[in-house]
Amino acid sequence: DAGVTQSPTHLIKTRGQQVTLRCSPKSGHDTVSWYQQALGQGPQFIFQYYEEEERQRGNFPDRFSGHQFPNYSSELNVNALLLGDSALYLCASSLGWVDNQPQHFGDGTRLSIL
Amino acid sequence: AQSVTQPDIHITVSEGASLELRCNYSYGATPYLFWYVQSPGQGLQLLLKYFSGDTLVQGIKGFEAEFKRSQSSFNLRKPSVHWSDAAEYFCAVVPENSGGSNYKLTFGKGTLLTVNP
Repeated sequence: DAGVTQSPTHLIKTRGQQVTLRCSPKSGHDTVSWYQQALGQGPQFIFQYYEEEERQRGNFPDRFSGHQFPNYSSELNVNALLLGDSALYLCASSLGWVDNQPQHFGDGTRLSIL
Repeated sequence: AQSVTQPDIHITVSEGASLELRCNYSYGATPYLFWYVQSPGQGLQLLLKYFSGDTLVQGIKGFEAEFKRSQSSFNLRKPSVHWSDAAEYFCAVVPENSGGSNYKLTFGKGTLLTVNP
């Protein structure tokens, strides 16, 4: 039973570029959440997708956008990259609208902005 | 706004010693509470969770945590630490009644655990 998988594992971009990160949820899960973890900090919630729609959003600018596909996988897109976007981006999946179910995290994508 | 405080940035213990990692939250109602562990270069692994019921929660790898409403705390404990427990530990909260598992976690800044041989 595969867990949450994220790709790529590492990525280097320059300021102003755009990036797309990918996430496949754990088998049986239908909800995907994205978190940003800056160095030395705890993860911060970016947004959550369920039934191919953004359901919740954290305090992140519109440069951060996402998508969920019919197979429940998801993408995180970041436009006009800034140095401050350098972070570990974590994807978490869960079984939506079922009480008391934990979120399962992938190993993340390390994004470095030069 | 709800917040999570982990007062200890870095803790060092000797292998075999007991461990307690502190977590305090700021929220009016009783939130859902979690402890996650992160090894270097890896994602987060759930150690244990509290939703309701017994305030002493058992988790994986021999960890337990106790919810104390009066102190707004959810401290993580282990009676005897192993070298493999060296990692970063994150406490996280979710407002109660957030609706199923579609909640957004609010994390503390983490506590880095070093284990001396």
